[in-house]
Amino acid sequence: DAGVIQSPRHEVTEMGQEVTLRCKLISGHNSLFWYRQTMMRGLELLIYFNNNVPIDDSGMPEDRFSAKMPNASFSTLKIQPSEPRDSAVYFCASSSRTSGGAGELFFGEGSRLTVL
Amino acid sequence: AQKVTQAQTEISVVEKEDVTLDCVYETRDTTYYLFWYKQPPSGELVFLIRRNSFDEQNEISGRYSWNFQKSTSSFNFTITASQVVDSAVYFCALSETGTYKYIFGTGTRLKVLA
Repeated sequence: DAGVIQSPRHEVTEMGQEVTLRCKLISGHNSLFWYRQTMMRGLELLIYFNNNVPIDDSGMPEDRFSAKMPNASFSTLKIQPSEPRDSAVYFCASSSRTSGGAGELFFGEGSRLTVL
Repeated sequence: AQKVTQAQTEISVVEKEDVTLDCVYETRDTTYYLFWYKQPPSGELVFLIRRNSFDEQNEISGRYSWNFQKSTSSFNFTITASQVVDSAVYFCALSETGTYKYIFGTGTRLKVLA
């Protein structure tokens, strides 16, 4: 089975531009998480969805950030307009939430964003 | 609120030494899950172990072992006879059944020197 797939793997853009990061979940998983990793702040949870519904977006840093899950297998994270401080590695992760509790989080390979 | 603390920012050991990575957590839930992940220099996050709050048995997998102690809210990770390939950042994480968030510690960078 394919793992979590993220695109693009690398993105370099200029300040003010719109950035869209994409994530395809593992088939059968019903929870989706977006994390941001920087040296200063480590792995921060930005938002997570369960069964396509956003459950907690308290980690989204500003209104410039938005995330959607239009269907059970796909999600986007958009930054508009982007700023240099948004430079980071963005990870998407999925898991299967069952009556057995929190399962293993499967991570994508990450999208490295550089905003100049 | 849930919180994970990895007080060791960086550890350096010489190959074949044993090393323990500490993880202390805070939670108000009685049912929760603890995890360890490895992030090698290539950047991906690799799952190592999942443990639920009702299972306090220690676990051993090859050179890796985990010591879960609810009394001290700790879930420590020991690598026996460390190898250069163990060099990575290791993250401890907590997921409460109430919130279903996965919260990560700040990670411990392990350097194993040849």
